[in-house]
Amino acid sequence: GQSLEQPSEVTAVEGAIVQINCTYQTSGFYGLSWYQQHDGGAPTFLSYNGLDGLEETGRFSSFLSRSDSYGYLLLQELQMKDSASYFCAVRGDDKIIFGKGTRLHILP
Amino acid sequence: KAGVTQTPRYLIKTRGQQVTLSCSPISGHRSVSWYQQTPGQGLQFLFEYFSETQRNKGNFPGRFSGRQFSNSRSEMNVSTLELGDSALYLCASSADWRGNTIYFGEGSWLTVV
Repeated sequence: GQSLEQPSEVTAVEGAIVQINCTYQTSGFYGLSWYQQHDGGAPTFLSYNGLDGLEETGRFSSFLSRSDSYGYLLLQELQMKDSASYFCAVRGDDKIIFGKGTRLHILP
Repeated sequence: KAGVTQTPRYLIKTRGQQVTLSCSPISGHRSVSWYQQTPGQGLQFLFEYFSETQRNKGNFPGRFSGRQFSNSRSEMNVSTLELGDSALYLCASSADWRGNTIYFGEGSWLTVV
């Protein structure tokens, strides 16, 4: 079957760095993406990895290892506004599959 | 450029009724996908359309259906509503059917009573 696994919750301190991991098992692979969703809001695109390696966008970075079927999202200099749910998503042969999301709690 | 627009935003229906949700994608986007989101379940894929053709369908009963029009606007319909259908229904669009960057609408909150 096809599945994505990511931690359900992560807690970090304001100003710190946090990493959210995602492992996947899909039929076909055409890229791994990350989305952020605040309570009551719609998911918004954060980052995409089509090839192995690190992609950086401001305070956010995303990494992919296709051989390990693994990726992560790295958030640096955490701010209270980063408190949200983060979803990894993989485009497989026939559709995009989303993980169940990681709830990020940030402590002051 | 306007984003993905979904209507209605909120609605309450009774068990056994049917509902139609509408989605207007970003101008120029030809791929539209629909997702159901419930607490703790993430985003469950419903179906995806590209140029009026359904490309894929998720593991939902036949009560869930959809279509896409020539202007790329899309609708989804749920018939014989059940309490468990209460959820946020999200529509997303992308420029092409292999798009990894998809843009979501604000969603339609459906409550079945």
